[in-house]
Amino acid sequence: LAKTTQPISMDSYEGQEVNITCSHNNIATNDYITWYQQFPSQGPRFIIQGYKTKVTNEVASLFIPADRKSSTLSLPRVSLSDTAVYYCLVGGYSGAGSYQLTFGKGTKLSVIP
Amino acid sequence: DTGVSQDPRHKITKRGQNVTFRCDPISEHNRLYWYRQTLGQGPEFLTYFQNEAQLEKSRLLSDRFSAERPKGSFSTLEIQRTEQGDSAMYLCASSPRGGGGVPPLHFGNGTRLTVT
Repeated sequence: LAKTTQPISMDSYEGQEVNITCSHNNIATNDYITWYQQFPSQGPRFIIQGYKTKVTNEVASLFIPADRKSSTLSLPRVSLSDTAVYYCLVGGYSGAGSYQLTFGKGTKLSVIP
Repeated sequence: DTGVSQDPRHKITKRGQNVTFRCDPISEHNRLYWYRQTLGQGPEFLTYFQNEAQLEKSRLLSDRFSAERPKGSFSTLEIQRTEQGDSAMYLCASSPRGGGGVPPLHFGNGTRLTVT
């Protein structure tokens, strides 16, 4: 399983763009990169997923360079409600009927007014 | 889509007692996962079901833990002879059939277990 490394914490002011980078040097060919958001006392919530280049949805953008050894989650114009832990996961079909998805410790984002 | 529901939300038990948690996944999802999360850590994979078949179990899942998913609908996770180290948030997630990419996990809000 590809191991991921991301900053333990980040601070940002409201209205700024936040970029959280995740390193995954051992990513496999069939692995996808998925980001989740978790608020206290809640389960994680899917944000975005990508395989290569750039993916954008209504919440965030995901940038993946050609070598796929890292990825960057971009949150535009954050608000206080974006204060949460953000997890980068790398995984794909395990061949046993499931998708191997391993959570790291995540990045605790604190948005400051 | 009513989401994944877990019951109870909180459980306090004494060491040595048995506890059982229930998870109701999103109805059309055939995949169901159990994770465990302790304070300051990310969720750790415990076990996975595809329909009613338990296809994977983590080495973290000791003999005291058992999970079932009868008829491929709801699932239960039982912990026998609880220990203080079992105190954690137990999260259930479901996902639809695979298409392109990795199907997103839809998590419930968990059951917080405290073993005294």
